[in-house]
Amino acid sequence: DIQLTQSPSFLSASVGDRVTITCRASQGISSYLAWYQHKPGTAPQLLIYAASTLQGEVPSRFSGSGSGTEFTLTISSLQPEDFATYYCQQLNSYPMTFGGGTKVEIK
Amino acid sequence: QVQLQQWGAGLVKHSETLSLTCAVYGGSFSGFYWTWIRQAPGKGLEWIGEVNHSGSTNYNPSLKSRVTISVDTSKNQFSLKLSSVTAADTADYYCARRDIRSSGAPTDYWGQGTLVTVSS
Repeated sequence: DIQLTQSPSFLSASVGDRVTITCRASQGISSYLAWYQHKPGTAPQLLIYAASTLQGEVPSRFSGSGSGTEFTLTISSLQPEDFATYYCQQLNSYPMTFGGGTKVEIK
Repeated sequence: QVQLQQWGAGLVKHSETLSLTCAVYGGSFSGFYWTWIRQAPGKGLEWIGEVNHSGSTNYNPSLKSRVTISVDTSKNQFSLKLSSVTAADTADYYCARRDIRSSGAPTDYWGQGTLVTVSS
């Protein structure tokens, strides 16, 4: 199985801060990486796919980059509605594993 | 607008079979993989497996011996059965769509989730 290691696992930040989350794959996955936002009691929401493509109505403050084994999710200016847990997922090979998650909380 | 609506028993007895169904509304049923994902309390997301419209499946090896995912194209529904459940199978279960026509084949639409508790 491909292991995805997210860092940090917890992040405390203020509204307006720039936030970067890293996802490292145990082997190369090309650009088959997606990022999701998950809030308690709701379904996860797709933010970024193919490592850097913004999904539909997702605000442009979210961006993704990387390929191969190292990927980043950046929120350029954190908004109150962005406090949530973020997961990366590799879709390169089975089983399609997720990272351990990064919880973003209000400082 | 694509919507996934899921249902099933929220309480399952130890050693019995968990059963969930997900209906797909809007959009095509073919050309996608239909997926089950779960999240145990306090844990991260775990990919269980998927099925396409023709019934071809892929399963997580960690669950493969106990999982069956099937499809009913006449109803635009797909189902999950997980046998011999234990307390470790207590989780929120989500159905979802994976768009293999899209670059990177992401999981783009999700059901609302069903909390399944395994009782002793």
